[in-house]
Amino acid sequence: SQKIEQNSEALNIQEGKTATLTCNYTNYSPAYLQWYRQDPGRGPVFLLLIRENEKEKRKERLKVTFDTTLKQSLFHITASQPADSATYLCAGGDYKLSFGAGTTVTVRA
Amino acid sequence: DVKVTQSSRYLVKRTGEKVFLECVQDMDHENMFWYRQDPGLGLRLIYFSYDVKMKEKGDIPEGYSVSREKKERFSLILESASTNQTSMYLCASSQGSNEQFFGPGTRLTVL
Repeated sequence: SQKIEQNSEALNIQEGKTATLTCNYTNYSPAYLQWYRQDPGRGPVFLLLIRENEKEKRKERLKVTFDTTLKQSLFHITASQPADSATYLCAGGDYKLSFGAGTTVTVRA
Repeated sequence: DVKVTQSSRYLVKRTGEKVFLECVQDMDHENMFWYRQDPGLGLRLIYFSYDVKMKEKGDIPEGYSVSREKKERFSLILESASTNQTSMYLCASSQGSNEQFFGPGTRLTVL
């Protein structure tokens, strides 16, 4: 069955550094990959969408890549801040999404 | 400001009770979704609806049913709640293949 895997459950980094999160997909080829942020006790909030024919997309301090050869997306938070601490979810598909389990990022001041 | 609302933030029910979770969106979106979220498992799709009165099973529909009588409202029904349905339930809506907008979630505990 189609699967989205986020390799790390948790990532701890120092403020100002770049956080890099990995998302791999298996058994299908999603037309889109999406990234969401989720704070404790709240619903996910959409951050970025990247299409399979796009290599890279940026939004402020966020950058997402989509490598169809490696079947992988990388999500970068540059110049990280404590306010970036949250769980980040990767999702693949089109109108119907499959979600990864998420990576919890903690940014230390 | 676009919004997805869910009827309750917290709910405690007893085994065997019938449970209704309601979701309302104000964006005139065609698609609506119900997920459950459990630690380590991520979001799993229970059901989704792509139009009024239309529904499709997701990955884990057993023990659940849904109703969409109006475009803005999508209800999740647990016919006979069981303890393994204790979870966080999240509703979302979307237009086409665009991003999904999520509600705040309902934390359901079945005793």
